[in-house]
Amino acid sequence: GNSVTQMEGPVTLSEEAFLTINCTYTATGYPSLFWYVQYPGEGLQLLLKATKADDKGSNKGFEATYRKETTSFHLEKGSVQVSDSAVYFCASSYTGANSKLTFGKGITLSVRP
Amino acid sequence: GAGVSQSPRYKVAKRGQDVALRCDPISGHVSLFWYQQALGQGPEFLTYFQNEAQLDKSGLPSDRFFAERPEGSVSTLKIQRTQQEDSAVYLCASSLRAENIQYFGAGTRLSVL
Repeated sequence: GNSVTQMEGPVTLSEEAFLTINCTYTATGYPSLFWYVQYPGEGLQLLLKATKADDKGSNKGFEATYRKETTSFHLEKGSVQVSDSAVYFCASSYTGANSKLTFGKGITLSVRP
Repeated sequence: GAGVSQSPRYKVAKRGQDVALRCDPISGHVSLFWYQQALGQGPEFLTYFQNEAQLDKSGLPSDRFFAERPEGSVSTLKIQRTQQEDSAVYLCASSLRAENIQYFGAGTRLSVL
């Protein structure tokens, strides 16, 4: 079946540090890939997505590139802020009649001033 | 307009009680999904509706779980004879069509004592 694996957390960084959160997927065919973020006390929000190989999703300074050869979708940001502290989930889905999401376990990011 | 609304936000139930969780999707959204998120885990798919039709219920963990969306708008997830292992956050998401971005509610946290 399909699955998404995220690196183990939590991650603690100082403000303005470089961020990488690893995500790999196993799937039949070519799913769409997503990063969702959950800020404290709020619901899941879509951060970015990519629908085919070599696509780069970007939003709020975050980027992730769909790498078919390594089945990866790593999340990066050049300079994190305290406001980026949240839980980040990598997810995959297929386009079609039922595009249910398959999520990784999530990773908690804490950014210190 | 308003986002996805879920109620109640918190529910405490004694083991063996029945519970009903409500989801109000974004107006006009055809697709509705339910997910279960255990502590420290990513959300896991439970069931999917397209309008009033329940097209996929493969993720429901047992026949104690039942979901409905009778008029193609509001949905209710019902859990009969709750067990401790049912304790989790239940998330609802809606999308305009199945292939579009899913918007999540804040979830209902169910604690079974």
